[in-house]
Amino acid sequence: QLQLVESGGGVVQPGGSLRLSCAASGFTFSTYGIHWVRQAPGKGLEWVAFISYDGRNKYYADSMKGRFTISRDNSENTLYLETNSLRPDDTAVYYCAKDAGARGGYGLDFWGQGTLVTVSS
Amino acid sequence: QSALTQPASVSGSPGQSITISCTGTSSDVGGHHYVSWYQQHPGRAPKLVLFFVTKRPSGVSSRFSGSKSGDTASLTISGLQAEDEAHYYCSSYTRSTSWVFGGGTKVTVL
Repeated sequence: QLQLVESGGGVVQPGGSLRLSCAASGFTFSTYGIHWVRQAPGKGLEWVAFISYDGRNKYYADSMKGRFTISRDNSENTLYLETNSLRPDDTAVYYCAKDAGARGGYGLDFWGQGTLVTVSS
Repeated sequence: QSALTQPASVSGSPGQSITISCTGTSSDVGGHHYVSWYQQHPGRAPKLVLFFVTKRPSGVSSRFSGSKSGDTASLTISGLQAEDEAHYYCSSYTRSTSWVFGGGTKVTVL
């Protein structure tokens, strides 16, 4: 069955970095776009970034541009999110979510369980 | 990338119908049909319930339906059931090649 398993979260000091990973299985990873979405404790969903099926197109939320980098390795069925210059308001559960289309816009039809990033001194 | 506007809460009795609105602009909701809706129960990952404004994924109850008028999209849950109690989020693709979520609506079944 479909699986998306995030990892790499943890506690980091302000200004620090973390590399989040999302391991996919149960579907043809290389044919779908993938998103990162985050959710601060007790708050709503916030879209973070998207990468197309082939990795050629990458889009970011304005507040993440220049600090976060999305990438994927289709040979390893894995999605990544490099997070830099982290701030306390980046504290959230980070979800990877599969788009139903290759280039996005078809709805996020499957989500992982998330990995918690806590930015605190 | 301002969040789409949703009511903070909506409630209804079992069997009733409720509607959740999602208001954006002509740059997002009003500009195309890439609007989707998600259900999230406490402690769980979100689940897609509608995409392309009105389409239901396989396995989603026909009690969930969607519509759009101008810059406002709507999710209607008919025949409200206890299991429908959750947070609901709308989302839209935007003209600036990004996505945006609504602030979320807590649905309470009385």
